[in-house]
Amino acid sequence: ETGVTQSPTHLIKTRGQQVTLRCSSQSGHNTVSWYQQALGQGPQFIFQYYREEENGRGNFPPRFSGLQFPNYSSELNVNALELDDSALYLCASSLGEVGGYTFGSGTRLTVV
Amino acid sequence: QQQVKQSPQSLIVQKGGISIINCAYENTAFDYFPWYQQFPGKGPALLIAIRPDVSEKKEGRFTISFNKSAKQFSLHIMDSQPGDSATYFCAASTNTGNQFYFGTGTSLTVIP
Repeated sequence: ETGVTQSPTHLIKTRGQQVTLRCSSQSGHNTVSWYQQALGQGPQFIFQYYREEENGRGNFPPRFSGLQFPNYSSELNVNALELDDSALYLCASSLGEVGGYTFGSGTRLTVV
Repeated sequence: QQQVKQSPQSLIVQKGGISIINCAYENTAFDYFPWYQQFPGKGPALLIAIRPDVSEKKEGRFTISFNKSAKQFSLHIMDSQPGDSATYFCAASTNTGNQFYFGTGTSLTVIP
């Protein structure tokens, strides 16, 4: 199957709760990046995983964490949710080279 | 601190007209400059990209103009169509390529 698949598409959580978002990379892609896109803003880099190891992190607190699995699928975990965490969370996969990123359609997280 | 500054925030163009979106950056280590197109409810999709060794790149109706000395680049959409109505993001990356820095986006509306 081609393309990047994210689940769920929409999610509503209560402040203080924890959430796990999932991403299935495009076939053959060994690198996955996660971005947060607030309403009306450009995506902001959270972190990147390459072959199951974190390979760079943006300006996000430690309560944002991730995993990449041997099949290159990935999870984004956010603990102690805050209202400002409400955003579209995007996953992008690539073969590691600049320019080859394919974005998923995202998970819309609403924190109430 | 916004690494890539984008303007205008919104743009309305008549069908057949030219749409122009501008971006500026400060970090001279950036060496890859993509433009992404995003439709509502979808993730960003790569439209066209340029490296600083060329001043212009054209793909169909889409052209990137790049001015290395001014640290500016722009997207030109020729013969704009209603189907081009979307949000456009410029971005920049260094050679290591583990993250993109996105602009704040331009909402383009093409009027029939």
